[in-house]
Amino acid sequence: ELKVEQNPLFLSMQEGKNYTIYCNYSTTSDRLYWYRQDPGKSLESLFVLLSNGAVKQEGRLMASLDTKARLSTLHITAAVHDLSATYFCAVDKMYSGGGADGLTFGKGTHLIIQP
Amino acid sequence: NAGVTQTPKFQVLKTGQSMTLQCAQDMNHNSMYWYRQDPGMGLRLIYYSASEGTTDKGEVPNGYNVSRLNKREFSLRLESAAPSQTSVYFCASRFSPGTNTEAFFGQGTRLTVV
Repeated sequence: ELKVEQNPLFLSMQEGKNYTIYCNYSTTSDRLYWYRQDPGKSLESLFVLLSNGAVKQEGRLMASLDTKARLSTLHITAAVHDLSATYFCAVDKMYSGGGADGLTFGKGTHLIIQP
Repeated sequence: NAGVTQTPKFQVLKTGQSMTLQCAQDMNHNSMYWYRQDPGMGLRLIYYSASEGTTDKGEVPNGYNVSRLNKREFSLRLESAAPSQTSVYFCASRFSPGTNTEAFFGQGTRLTVV
Protein backbone atom coordinates (compact mmCIF):
# COMPACT_ATOMS: atom_id res chain seq x y z
CA GLU A 1 0.00 0.00 0.00
CA LEU A 2 1.36 3.38 -0.98
CA LYS A 3 1.74 5.78 1.94
CA VAL A 4 2.53 9.46 1.56
CA GLU A 5 3.72 11.43 4.57
CA GLN A 6 4.14 15.17 4.77
CA ASN A 7 5.84 17.15 7.44
CA PRO A 8 5.27 19.38 9.09
CA LEU A 9 1.48 19.24 9.10
CA PHE A 10 1.25 22.73 10.48
CA LEU A 11 3.67 25.59 10.01
CA SER A 12 3.50 29.16 11.17
CA MET A 13 6.24 31.40 9.89
CA GLN A 14 7.07 35.04 9.45
CA GLU A 15 7.21 36.93 6.22
CA GLY A 16 10.65 37.04 4.71
CA LYS A 17 11.76 33.68 6.11
CA ASN A 18 12.65 30.52 4.23
CA TYR A 19 11.27 27.09 4.94
CA THR A 20 10.91 23.62 3.45
CA ILE A 21 8.00 21.18 3.43
CA TYR A 22 8.90 17.50 3.08
CA CYS A 23 6.99 14.73 1.35
CA ASN A 24 8.05 11.10 1.79
CA TYR A 25 6.42 8.17 0.05
CA SER A 26 6.68 4.46 0.60
CA THR A 27 6.84 2.72 -2.80
CA THR A 28 8.58 3.26 -6.09
CA SER A 29 7.21 6.11 -8.12
CA ASP A 30 8.71 8.78 -10.33
CA ARG A 31 5.62 10.95 -10.58
CA LEU A 32 4.86 13.42 -7.85
CA TYR A 33 2.55 16.41 -7.78
CA TRP A 34 2.18 19.43 -5.53
CA TYR A 35 -1.16 21.16 -5.02
CA ARG A 36 -2.29 24.26 -3.18
CA GLN A 37 -5.66 24.65 -1.46
CA ASP A 38 -7.05 27.90 -0.07
CA PRO A 39 -9.68 27.68 2.69
CA GLY A 40 -13.04 26.54 1.34
CA LYS A 41 -11.65 26.22 -2.19
CA SER A 42 -10.60 23.51 -4.57
CA LEU A 43 -7.10 22.21 -5.27
CA GLU A 44 -4.84 24.05 -7.66
CA SER A 45 -1.95 22.29 -9.36
CA LEU A 46 1.45 23.83 -8.58
CA PHE A 47 4.10 21.44 -9.83
CA VAL A 48 4.41 18.18 -11.72
CA LEU A 49 7.68 16.28 -11.08
CA LEU A 50 8.25 13.37 -13.40
CA SER A 51 11.80 12.15 -12.94
CA ASN A 52 14.59 11.76 -10.45
CA GLY A 53 16.30 15.08 -9.89
CA ALA A 54 13.44 17.11 -11.33
CA VAL A 55 13.31 20.68 -10.08
CA LYS A 56 10.56 23.17 -10.82
CA GLN A 57 10.29 26.79 -9.69
CA GLU A 58 7.45 29.27 -9.74
CA GLY A 59 7.98 32.58 -7.98
CA ARG A 60 8.95 31.96 -4.36
CA LEU A 61 8.20 28.23 -4.53
CA MET A 62 10.60 25.53 -5.68
CA ALA A 63 9.88 21.82 -5.75
CA SER A 64 12.30 18.94 -6.22
CA LEU A 65 12.12 15.17 -6.45
CA ASP A 66 14.58 12.49 -5.34
CA THR A 67 13.10 9.16 -6.39
CA LYS A 68 15.92 7.15 -4.84
CA ALA A 69 15.18 8.63 -1.41
CA ARG A 70 11.44 8.69 -2.20
CA LEU A 71 11.42 12.30 -1.11
CA SER A 72 10.12 15.54 -2.52
CA THR A 73 10.60 18.98 -1.05
CA LEU A 74 8.70 22.23 -1.48
CA HIS A 75 10.91 25.16 -0.59
CA ILE A 76 9.53 28.59 0.19
CA THR A 77 11.88 31.54 -0.23
CA ALA A 78 11.25 34.89 1.47
CA ALA A 79 7.69 33.98 2.36
CA VAL A 80 4.85 36.44 1.82
CA HIS A 81 1.35 36.40 3.32
CA ASP A 82 -0.26 35.42 0.00
CA LEU A 83 1.43 32.03 0.23
CA SER A 84 -0.67 31.11 3.27
CA ALA A 85 -2.60 27.98 2.26
CA THR A 86 -2.61 24.21 2.66
CA TYR A 87 -0.10 22.40 0.46
CA PHE A 88 -0.54 18.79 -0.57
CA CYS A 89 1.82 16.40 -2.25
CA ALA A 90 0.39 13.48 -4.20
CA VAL A 91 2.01 10.42 -5.74
CA ASP A 92 1.03 8.07 -8.56
CA LYS A 93 1.13 4.41 -7.64
CA MET A 94 2.81 2.83 -10.61
CA TYR A 95 2.16 -0.59 -12.08
CA SER A 96 4.52 -2.74 -14.10
CA GLY A 97 2.66 -2.00 -17.31
CA GLY A 98 3.17 1.74 -16.85
CA GLY A 99 -0.36 2.45 -15.75
CA ALA A 100 -1.52 3.97 -12.53
CA ASP A 101 -4.73 4.51 -10.65
CA GLY A 102 -5.69 7.56 -8.61
CA LEU A 103 -3.27 9.83 -6.85
CA THR A 104 -2.45 9.12 -3.21
CA PHE A 105 -2.29 12.32 -1.17
CA GLY A 106 -0.42 13.33 1.91
CA LYS A 107 -2.41 14.86 4.75
CA GLY A 108 -1.38 18.37 3.79
CA THR A 109 0.72 21.10 5.37
CA HIS A 110 -1.29 24.02 6.73
CA LEU A 111 0.95 27.04 6.24
CA ILE A 112 0.32 30.38 7.93
CA ILE A 113 2.60 33.28 7.07
CA GLN A 114 2.41 36.18 9.47
CA PRO A 115 3.54 39.76 8.86
CA ASN B 1 -13.83 26.49 -20.64
CA ALA B 2 -15.51 25.22 -17.45
CA GLY B 3 -13.00 22.46 -16.58
CA VAL B 4 -14.51 20.13 -13.96
CA THR B 5 -18.02 20.99 -12.78
CA GLN B 6 -19.66 19.46 -9.74
CA THR B 7 -23.25 19.72 -8.60
CA PRO B 8 -24.57 20.43 -6.08
CA LYS B 9 -22.11 22.64 -4.19
CA PHE B 10 -23.83 22.13 -0.84
CA GLN B 11 -26.22 19.47 0.44
CA VAL B 12 -27.76 18.47 3.74
CA LEU B 13 -29.17 14.95 4.00
CA LYS B 14 -30.91 13.05 6.70
CA THR B 15 -29.52 9.68 7.72
CA GLY B 16 -30.80 7.01 5.35
CA GLN B 17 -31.55 9.35 2.46
CA SER B 18 -29.94 8.80 -0.91
CA MET B 19 -28.41 11.24 -3.35
CA THR B 20 -26.21 11.43 -6.41
CA LEU B 21 -23.31 13.83 -6.83
CA GLN B 22 -22.76 14.83 -10.43
CA CYS B 23 -19.45 15.58 -12.11
CA ALA B 24 -18.74 16.61 -15.68
CA GLN B 25 -15.52 17.63 -17.43
CA ASP B 26 -15.06 19.33 -20.76
CA MET B 27 -11.33 18.69 -21.24
CA ASN B 28 -11.69 15.40 -23.12
CA HIS B 29 -10.01 13.56 -20.24
CA ASN B 30 -10.11 9.79 -20.08
CA SER B 31 -9.70 9.30 -16.33
CA MET B 32 -12.01 10.58 -13.63
CA TYR B 33 -11.91 10.30 -9.84
CA TRP B 34 -13.96 10.85 -6.73
CA TYR B 35 -12.20 11.86 -3.50
CA ARG B 36 -13.41 12.79 -0.08
CA GLN B 37 -11.63 15.31 2.13
CA ASP B 38 -11.93 15.21 5.89
CA PRO B 39 -10.07 17.44 8.37
CA GLY B 40 -6.56 16.17 8.99
CA MET B 41 -6.96 13.27 6.55
CA GLY B 42 -5.91 14.75 3.24
CA LEU B 43 -7.85 13.48 0.23
CA ARG B 44 -8.82 9.82 0.02
CA LEU B 45 -9.82 8.11 -3.18
CA ILE B 46 -13.33 6.64 -3.21
CA TYR B 47 -13.67 5.36 -6.79
CA TYR B 48 -12.02 6.04 -10.09
CA SER B 49 -12.65 5.43 -13.76
CA ALA B 50 -9.49 4.99 -15.81
CA SER B 51 -11.47 5.21 -19.04
CA GLU B 52 -15.03 5.26 -20.29
CA GLY B 53 -16.74 2.00 -19.40
CA THR B 54 -14.51 1.05 -16.47
CA THR B 55 -14.70 1.81 -12.76
CA ASP B 56 -12.61 0.62 -9.84
CA LYS B 57 -12.62 0.93 -6.08
CA GLY B 58 -10.23 3.23 -4.33
CA GLU B 59 -9.21 3.40 -0.70
CA VAL B 60 -12.64 4.09 0.87
CA PRO B 61 -15.42 2.74 -1.41
CA ASN B 62 -17.83 1.39 1.21
CA GLY B 63 -21.24 3.07 1.13
CA TYR B 64 -20.75 4.50 -2.36
CA ASN B 65 -21.45 3.54 -5.95
CA VAL B 66 -20.37 5.21 -9.16
CA SER B 67 -21.42 5.41 -12.78
CA ARG B 68 -19.30 6.51 -15.70
CA LEU B 69 -22.17 7.70 -17.83
CA ASN B 70 -20.01 8.69 -20.80
CA LYS B 71 -16.59 10.17 -21.32
CA ARG B 72 -17.61 13.50 -19.79
CA GLU B 73 -19.64 12.44 -16.77
CA PHE B 74 -18.88 10.47 -13.61
CA SER B 75 -21.45 10.34 -10.83
CA LEU B 76 -21.17 9.26 -7.20
CA ARG B 77 -24.19 7.82 -5.40
CA LEU B 78 -24.84 7.46 -1.70
CA GLU B 79 -27.59 4.87 -1.36
CA SER B 80 -28.24 5.30 2.37
CA ALA B 81 -26.38 8.26 3.79
CA ALA B 82 -24.70 7.99 7.19
CA PRO B 83 -23.23 10.74 9.40
CA SER B 84 -19.76 9.27 8.70
CA GLN B 85 -20.21 10.37 5.10
CA THR B 86 -20.27 14.02 6.11
CA SER B 87 -17.35 15.38 4.13
CA VAL B 88 -16.26 17.50 1.22
CA TYR B 89 -16.32 15.54 -2.03
CA PHE B 90 -14.08 16.40 -4.94
CA CYS B 91 -14.28 15.12 -8.46
CA ALA B 92 -11.12 15.21 -10.57
CA SER B 93 -10.06 14.29 -14.07
CA ARG B 94 -6.90 13.93 -16.16
CA PHE B 95 -5.99 12.69 -19.62
CA SER B 96 -4.80 9.34 -18.34
CA PRO B 97 -2.19 8.23 -15.84
CA GLY B 98 0.22 7.16 -18.54
CA THR B 99 0.49 10.65 -19.99
CA ASN B 100 2.08 12.10 -16.87
CA THR B 101 -0.45 14.84 -16.36
CA GLU B 102 -1.77 16.30 -13.20
CA ALA B 103 -5.40 15.92 -12.17
CA PHE B 104 -7.76 18.89 -12.31
CA PHE B 105 -10.31 19.27 -9.56
CA GLY B 106 -13.88 20.50 -9.36
CA GLN B 107 -15.01 23.03 -6.79
CA GLY B 108 -16.23 20.41 -4.34
CA THR B 109 -19.54 19.36 -2.80
CA ARG B 110 -19.96 20.02 0.89
CA LEU B 111 -22.22 17.28 2.24
CA THR B 112 -23.64 17.14 5.75
CA VAL B 113 -25.54 14.09 6.93
CA VAL B 114 -27.63 14.66 10.06
